[in-house]
Amino acid sequence: KAGVTQTPRYLIKTRGQQVTLSCSPISGHRSVSWYQQTPGQGLQFLFEYFSETQRNKGNFPGRFSGRQFSNSRSEMNVSTLELGDSALYLCASSLLGREEETQYFGPGTRLLVL
Amino acid sequence: AQSVTQLDSQVPVFEEAPVELRCNYSSSVSVYLFWYVQYPNQGLQLLLKYLSGSTLVKSINGFEAEFNKSQTSFHLRKPSVHISDTAEYFCAVSLIWYGSSNTGKLIFGQGTTLQVKP
Repeated sequence: KAGVTQTPRYLIKTRGQQVTLSCSPISGHRSVSWYQQTPGQGLQFLFEYFSETQRNKGNFPGRFSGRQFSNSRSEMNVSTLELGDSALYLCASSLLGREEETQYFGPGTRLLVL
Repeated sequence: AQSVTQLDSQVPVFEEAPVELRCNYSSSVSVYLFWYVQYPNQGLQLLLKYLSGSTLVKSINGFEAEFNKSQTSFHLRKPSVHISDTAEYFCAVSLIWYGSSNTGKLIFGQGTTLQVKP
C-alpha cells in the first residue's frame, strides 16, 4: 500500500503571498489531519477533515484553512503569509480519525517564507 | 489544559548502551499514549502505543514503554541501542473525551533527539 504523499516537498514564498499544500492519504483512509512543526513550538495540530468536513480545529488564525475532496485528498491553504509561517507542514491519515487509531504521516512540505 | 513534557531535549549515548527517554503528561481526562520516531527529512512513524491492558508495550525493533498512571508517565526504553536508532523521538497523547469530538488530534511533546555514538 502506498504511504501518505505530500506535494510539493519544498516551497519558498514571500510575505503576503498565499500557498496551497496537498496531501494524499493512504488508500481507504478517510481522516486527514494537518500539523505544523517548528523548532520553537514543536508539533501543533492545525485541523482534521473527515468526509469533506472539518471536524476538529487547533488554535491557529483564520489565515490557515483547509478542505477535503470526495477521494479523501486534502489541501491546506495559508493566506497572507508571515515570516513565522516558515515550518514543516505534516499531514497524517487514519481510517476514521478515532482517538485510538495510529496516524500515518507523510514526509511533509517544508515552507520557507522570506 | 492537556500537555506532554519530554524532560530531555537531547540524549547522547554510546552504541550498545541502554537508553531511557522520559515522557510525562498532564490531562484531566483519560488518554491514549503514543511514541513516534522521526528520521532526518522524513515524517513521523509510530513506534508503539498504549491503549489498554498490560502497561508494558513493545515495538518490533526492541523498544518498550511502560504506562504508569500514578506518575502520569510513559517512558521509552531500549536495552541496547544501535547507530541506526539516531533520530528524534516524540511522545504524544490523544484525549479520550467521550461525547465530544477530539478526532484526529495528537498532542505532542517537544521531542528528544537520541544521538547514538560509535
